[in-house]
Amino acid sequence: AQTVTQSQPEMSVQEAETVTLSCTYDTSESDYYLFWYKQPPSRQMILVIRQEAYKQQNATENRFSVNFQKAAKSFSLKISDSQLGDAAMYFCAYRRRETSGSRLTFGEGTQLTVNP
Amino acid sequence: DAMVIQNPRYQVTQFGKPVTLSCSQTLNHNVMYWYQQKSSQAPKLLFHYYDKDFNNEADTPDNFQSRRPNTSFCFLDIRSPGLGDAAMYLCATSPGRFITDTQYFGPGTRLTVL
Repeated sequence: AQTVTQSQPEMSVQEAETVTLSCTYDTSESDYYLFWYKQPPSRQMILVIRQEAYKQQNATENRFSVNFQKAAKSFSLKISDSQLGDAAMYFCAYRRRETSGSRLTFGEGTQLTVNP
Repeated sequence: DAMVIQNPRYQVTQFGKPVTLSCSQTLNHNVMYWYQQKSSQAPKLLFHYYDKDFNNEADTPDNFQSRRPNTSFCFLDIRSPGLGDAAMYLCATSPGRFITDTQYFGPGTRLTVL
């Protein structure tokens, strides 16, 4: 079974600074996707960024980028120039490729606080 | 705006009293999911519908049922809620079940069991 581990239950960052959230996962599969989701307080969870396992290039979406280390099964999220609106719970998630569809397996989340 | 809507946002029920949570979507997506998210835990998939086909997760208790009367609506029924069923329930949709199909989440319904 696949597992996703986020070892940092809470993180904080000063506004305008950079923060990195950690995620490790365990799988025997070679074809899968990894995701970071953001869940602001009392609002819906939204996709921040995703990475295909076969792509060596790290994904980037504006101020959000990942450091994907396939051999180490590590998938960290870097948030640059942190803004107050980045404060949220961040979930790392894994999904393997299956013909009939497959579940998202989530980590337990990291609560990010952004200090003004 | 197209979106995933969950009603109510907060639901209180009594131990053993059946409760139904509602999800609707204006995205016209084929797949609808129900997740359970207990406090400080990861969201856990309970089941999903691919069109009219119901797909239950192996470890979902029989106490949890679902209905999808049409494309837009999906319901989560908890037949006899226990204290351990208190959680946030998240509905999500996706166009299909391909690995690249993004899941769009609703804001969740927080269930309290007294």
